[in-house]
Amino acid sequence: EDKVVQSPLSLVVHEGDTVTLNCSYEVTNFRSLLWYKQEKKAPTFLFMLTSSGIEKKSGRLSSILDKKELFSILNITATQTGDSAVYLCAVEAPTPFGNEKLTFGTGTRLTIIP
Amino acid sequence: NAGVMQNPRHLVRRRGQEARLRCSPMKGHSHVYWYRQLPEEGLKFMVYLQKENIIDESGMPKERFSAEFPKEGPSILRIQQVVRGDSAAYFCASSQGRVTPYNEQFFGPGTRLTVL
Repeated sequence: EDKVVQSPLSLVVHEGDTVTLNCSYEVTNFRSLLWYKQEKKAPTFLFMLTSSGIEKKSGRLSSILDKKELFSILNITATQTGDSAVYLCAVEAPTPFGNEKLTFGTGTRLTIIP
Repeated sequence: NAGVMQNPRHLVRRRGQEARLRCSPMKGHSHVYWYRQLPEEGLKFMVYLQKENIIDESGMPKERFSAEFPKEGPSILRIQQVVRGDSAAYFCASSQGRVTPYNEQFFGPGTRLTVL
């Protein structure tokens, strides 16, 4: 069974700090790894990673994938209170039914203190 | 361009009642996915549907749960004879289908089901 483990489970930092969130996975037929931000509603897409070693960046957020060691990290620099959320990692893999399925980790709850 | 819509946003049921959750996919999307999120847990895949077809229901509990996506109208997730353990947030996502390089799923705001 596909498995995604995120760490830490929760993290509290002060505004301006830099944080690193971790995601490790075990999956058959890996296709991609995705990061989502979940505030009090729908998860919103942040990044999709398919290739090792290529950093994706969006403003203060960046992410990288290591397919050999089976993990990814999400970095947030100069954190702001608006970054407070649960960050979800998911891996995408094909199923015998012809579709792709997302397997999610439990998430990291990030709290930014002003 | 409305996103994925779910209703109701909050649903309270007593044990033994039926819960019916609705999901209207984004315009142009014909693929629907249902996920369940228990408190302090990640999203767990339940079922994947295309119009009038259930493609993958490997994540659905064997009893009391069913899903449909009719030719007209929203997708429905139905839970019969609810129990307290069914209390969770149920998210729907939709996609266009396999479009390289990635079949992005767009999530709705979720329905929070509380069973008393």
